[in-house]
Amino acid sequence: LAKTTQPISMDSYEGQEVNITCSHNNIATNDYITWYQQFPSQGPRFIIQGYKTKVTNEVASLFIPADRKSSTLSLPRVSLSDTAVYYCLVGAYYNQGGKLIFGQGTELSVKP
Amino acid sequence: DVKVTQSSRYLVKRTGEKVFLECVQDMDHENMFWYRQDPGLGLRLIYFSYDVKMKEKGDIPEGYSVSREKKERFSLILESASTNQTSMYLCASSLWTGNNEKLFFGSGTQLSVL
Repeated sequence: LAKTTQPISMDSYEGQEVNITCSHNNIATNDYITWYQQFPSQGPRFIIQGYKTKVTNEVASLFIPADRKSSTLSLPRVSLSDTAVYYCLVGAYYNQGGKLIFGQGTELSVKP
Repeated sequence: DVKVTQSSRYLVKRTGEKVFLECVQDMDHENMFWYRQDPGLGLRLIYFSYDVKMKEKGDIPEGYSVSREKKERFSLILESASTNQTSMYLCASSLWTGNNEKLFFGSGTQLSVL
């Protein structure tokens, strides 16, 4: 199973760009990288997904280097409402033996 | 819009009771999951199902069972609730398209066992 490592917590201020890096050294050839966001007392929600290079949507950007052993979620100009836990997942149900494993996540705190 | 609905937002039960947590998804997804989430431990997979009547154990299946009689519904059963099963329970379903997959979660059920 692809194991991921993220920082436990990060602090930022409103208006700053935040980059959260996830390490996944044993990523498999077919694995995609997916990030989820979780607010307190809610279920996680999908943010962004990618396989290589760069992916951008209306919420975030995802940067994946050529070796794919890490990925960086970039949140532009964060606001207080971006305070949440961010999870990085690698792989999918079928090629992980049915087990999609969430790591500890990164608790992002945005301050005014 | 996709939707995963968990039957209860908050639930209080007594030790030894049989507890049913229901989850329904309206997206015709094959895969469904039950996680529990505890402070400091993150999300841990209890059971998952890849088809009707099919189930597989996750990392912490002890004390739990599941039922999937219809594609849209996945139930988690605590046969005899214990205080260490007090937790937030999260149901999810997933859309599988090739090698990539997206999970859709319900809002969770906060279960307290007294």
